Amino acid sequence: DAGVIQSPRHEVTEMGQEVTLRCKPISGHDYLFWYRQTMMRGLELLIYFNNNVPIDDSGMPEDRFSAKMPNASFSTLKIQPSEPRDSAVYFCASLDSTNEKLFFGSGTQLSVL
Amino acid sequence: ILNVEQSPQSLHVQEGDSTNFTCSFPSSNFYALHWYRWETAKSPEALFVMTLNGDEKKKGRISATLNTKEGYSYLYIKGSQPEDSATYLCACRGGKLIFGQGTELSVKP
Repeated sequence: DAGVIQSPRHEVTEMGQEVTLRCKPISGHDYLFWYRQTMMRGLELLIYFNNNVPIDDSGMPEDRFSAKMPNASFSTLKIQPSEPRDSAVYFCASLDSTNEKLFFGSGTQLSVL
Repeated sequence: ILNVEQSPQSLHVQEGDSTNFTCSFPSSNFYALHWYRWETAKSPEALFVMTLNGDEKKKGRISATLNTKEGYSYLYIKGSQPEDSATYLCACRGGKLIFGQGTELSVKP
């Protein structure tokens, strides 16, 4: 397996634009987590899914953020409209609850100008 | 809401020193405790996962223990090497997986 795949690796956009981050989890993993890494808060949990169902989105900072998981092999995190304070590295991670193994994607470095 | 706390925030040691970090977490609704090693510009790398009270895990010079009753885990590094320099993260899972802020370790030759 190629591991957790995130795209794009880097995204530079202007304030007000829509941004979509993508994640392909490891096949067979039943949990998917979206995190945002900032200097102030470290790895901050935004939302997580279990078997494609959103379980807890209490970490999503505002209504501008939304996430979907239409099937077991794909998830998106969307920011609309984007703001400069959204600039951060966004990580996706998938977990196999049968052995509690968690793997991270390479992250998306988002810069909102 | 899970609050995972790590201490110290940073640590500077000399090569050959042994060191340890602490991770504290709410003991209610606990399922698993994860430890990760995170180097700059890379993704976190899994070190250990522990689920049972009293669990002890070891990988080379690194080991970890778990106390679920009192809500803490220790990570130990024996004979630190410069290549051990990284941020060490713990995360507690009780459904959601919450990370601590990490301990940044710097090992000087």
